[in-house]
Amino acid sequence: DAKTTQPTSMDCAEGRAANLPCNHSTISGNEYVYWYRQIHSQGPQYIIHGLKNNETNEMASLIITEDRKSSTLILPHATLRDTAVYYCIVCGGWDTNAGKSTFGDGTTLTVKP
Amino acid sequence: GAGVSQSPSNKVTEKGKDVELRCDPISGHTALYWYRQSLGQGLEFLIYFQGNSAPDKSGLPSDRFSAERTGGSVSTLTIQRTQQEDSAVYLCASSLARAGTMGNEQFFGPGTRLTVL
Repeated sequence: DAKTTQPTSMDCAEGRAANLPCNHSTISGNEYVYWYRQIHSQGPQYIIHGLKNNETNEMASLIITEDRKSSTLILPHATLRDTAVYYCIVCGGWDTNAGKSTFGDGTTLTVKP
Repeated sequence: GAGVSQSPSNKVTEKGKDVELRCDPISGHTALYWYRQSLGQGLEFLIYFQGNSAPDKSGLPSDRFSAERTGGSVSTLTIQRTQQEDSAVYLCASSLARAGTMGNEQFFGPGTRLTVL
């Protein structure tokens, strides 16, 4: 699986958009970009994923660059409960047998009042 | 429906003892993953199952670690002759991993906190 690079930490004001970047320059054509978050003492929680196109769900938006070498997770209106460690990973889909997922250290997002 | 469950939630053991950690994936999920997370660290991949087979065991840190999955469902992670450095939270995840699904999002259990004294 491709490795990812994320900033160690970021701050965001409550109510503002949080934009979390991720670099995955060695991503291969059949690998997806996934985002998870882990709130203290809990298991990671799936947020969103994408292959080529930008994606949006009730939690967040995912912007993937055209060359797929980087992506940005957007939390449109951050709340204090969004304070967590955010992990960007790349891995194959169901048909690639590439189950190994390298999570890395993630970005610690702190949402401040 | 029920999510991924793990047992025990906490395990304290003495150095040199063997431990077994259990994971019950979401019903119908064919893929199952084990991770380890030391205090303040990110997730460390250990092993992945597709059905009952493990195509990738490269993450197991030593031959003291083993895992099996039976019936395409429950998985057990066994650590033999535990060492203090084995102390961590062990997380299990499962995913649908079936044709017709776009991706392979993983659903995580609450983890087992292992403390080796």
